[in-house]
Amino acid sequence: DGGITQSPKYLFRKEGQNVTLSCEQNLNHDAMYWYRQDPGQGLRLIYYSQIVNDFQKGDIAEGYSVSREKKESFPLTVTSAQKNPTAFYLCASSLRDRGYEQYFGPGTRLTVT
Amino acid sequence: GQNIDQPTEMTATEGAIVQINCTYQTSGFNGLFWYQQHAGEAPTFLSYNVLDGLEEKGRFSSFLSRSKGYSYLLLKELQMKDSASYLCAVREGETGANNLFFGTGTRLTVIP
Repeated sequence: DGGITQSPKYLFRKEGQNVTLSCEQNLNHDAMYWYRQDPGQGLRLIYYSQIVNDFQKGDIAEGYSVSREKKESFPLTVTSAQKNPTAFYLCASSLRDRGYEQYFGPGTRLTVT
Repeated sequence: GQNIDQPTEMTATEGAIVQINCTYQTSGFNGLFWYQQHAGEAPTFLSYNVLDGLEEKGRFSSFLSRSKGYSYLLLKELQMKDSASYLCAVREGETGANNLFFGTGTRLTVIP
């Protein structure tokens, strides 16, 4: 089945450690996105990529890094520089010319203590 | 920049109709979108409006007035499974073709 997957669903880390969240899609979508969702706030865009080997910062990119070496994969690294990393992280993908219809993965809930 | 407002919570009765409003202020407007998100799950696409007017899709309809910076999502014949958060999102044409800016979401509770 085609879809977008994120793993793991729950992730726990100690403060000061970098952690990488995976996002894989087999929908043949060019564009991929990373959002963060906090209680009482809307989804906020961290990074996005319209094509392989290219990505752009979103509204809250500080403390995060990404790579897009393959069309199917868009991993997000939460670095120790991110001041409030505990959140629900959502990855999405879309056709490049249908960016309004984004398909979301199930999300990863990251807790940093 | 963007400023998207929608009510935080709403409650409605099974079988009834509910309207969820969204107002926005943005530059380079290029479409308004509604997503549904059940608790702990990923958002799923419901509808989008680029031109003024009403778009109907089964029990759900979405309306847009660009001059007023206003949209609503109308849910008819409410079912218990419609209890979810409804996210309003705006796309700006100038900041990137596909970037969506989301509101905080409206948590709808359907009661028997």
